[in-house]
Amino acid sequence: GESVGLHLPTLSVQEGDNSIINCAYSNSASDYFIWYKQESGKGPQFIIDIRSNMDKRQGQRVTVLLNKTVKHLSLQIAATQPGDSAVYFCAETPGFQKLVFGTGTRLLVSP
Amino acid sequence: DAGVTQSPTHLIKTRGQQVTLRCSPKSGHDTVSWYQQALGQGPQFIFQYYEEEERQRGNFPDRFSGHQFPNYSSELNVNALLLGDSALYLCASSPEGVRGNTEAFFGQGTRLTVV
Repeated sequence: GESVGLHLPTLSVQEGDNSIINCAYSNSASDYFIWYKQESGKGPQFIIDIRSNMDKRQGQRVTVLLNKTVKHLSLQIAATQPGDSAVYFCAETPGFQKLVFGTGTRLLVSP
Repeated sequence: DAGVTQSPTHLIKTRGQQVTLRCSPKSGHDTVSWYQQALGQGPQFIFQYYEEEERQRGNFPDRFSGHQFPNYSSELNVNALLLGDSALYLCASSPEGVRGNTEAFFGQGTRLTVV
């Protein structure tokens, strides 16, 4: 399949570990922050979002934390599985007409 | 329910040529956005179409243009292709509204290579 990115920051973990992927965003006025997963040869897939008036939101095996003071967003994946291997992007919505993506992080999960 | 479909999946063009990429949105979605994703980078917003009009545009030259049809499908046209236009072009569809972008679905993209 297509390679999403060749020189992205990479996080390597063992299967079963917890993973934490970080992101810095730029626009204080963004309403929502979203995490996407992109597998090779595919488009970004929605994982979880968080509204700007929240600081934590949990999904199935994933948690997003938002720190507006330092404009920082993180994605925690519990019990990481080989199928979680992909490139992860954060995105923000400075106005609801577009998404602004951050630089991605490649997650490699070893069995 | 088919998600967002894009065609073609791969395309090779020569510098100076023109290209048209196509997108069919997810059922029930009336808003279509286009993004350019260069290798190793996050997607960059090109423009968005709603009610057959370009509603917002990113920092892309006029060589990039688009169209939305009454059935909500969309086309992206790029004229006078440059080598730097080589990228994965992504279409995202979403329902109109404040949370529209948080409900955006992406297609698998069209890989354009300019030689």
